[in-house]
Amino acid sequence: DAKTTQPPSMDCAEGRAANLPCNHSTISGNEYVYWYRQIHSQGPQYIIHGLKNNETNEMASLIITEDRKSSTLILPHATLRDTAVYYCIVRSGTASKLTFGTGTRLQVTL
Amino acid sequence: NAGVTQTPKFRVLKTGQSMTLLCAQDMNHEYMYWYRQDPGMGLRLIHYSVGEGTTAKGEVPDGYNVSRLKKQNFLLGLESAAPSQTSVYFCASSYSQGAVNTEAFFGQGTRLTVV
Repeated sequence: DAKTTQPPSMDCAEGRAANLPCNHSTISGNEYVYWYRQIHSQGPQYIIHGLKNNETNEMASLIITEDRKSSTLILPHATLRDTAVYYCIVRSGTASKLTFGTGTRLQVTL
Repeated sequence: NAGVTQTPKFRVLKTGQSMTLLCAQDMNHEYMYWYRQDPGMGLRLIHYSVGEGTTAKGEVPDGYNVSRLKKQNFLLGLESAAPSQTSVYFCASSYSQGAVNTEAFFGQGTRLTVV
């Protein structure tokens, strides 16, 4: 699976959009981009995933660049409860392993 | 629907003791995973399984053994616990990569302290 690079930490004001970037320049054609988050010391929670089209669900939007070398997770109206570590993972369609990096610690403030 | 359940939630072991962590899922998932997470670190994959009766090593398998005798259960064993195995252990499960929904579901973790 391709390696991902994320900033170690970010801040966001409550009510504003949180844009979390992820670089995956070595991604190959059959690899998906997944996002998970871990709130405090709970088990990680799935957020969204995509292959090449932008995706949106009730939690977030995922924007993938045309060359697929980077992506951005968007939380449209961040709340204090969105404070968490966000993990970007690249995983092929046939891979069984799920490998986490170090993630981005998002702090949402008043 | 319970999802992924880990047993126990907390445990303190003495060095050299053995124990087994149980992970149970009720979603009929093929894949199951065991991770450890040390303070301030990301999750590291210990072992995983792609189906009943099969297991494979992850990034940090040394000192651990696993078994998947039933599809719904994935056991993680520590034969001789060491202080370096003090960590939070997470289990996860997912459908195989050929399925439409491939997201992983995680348990709430087991906090293990080895003294």
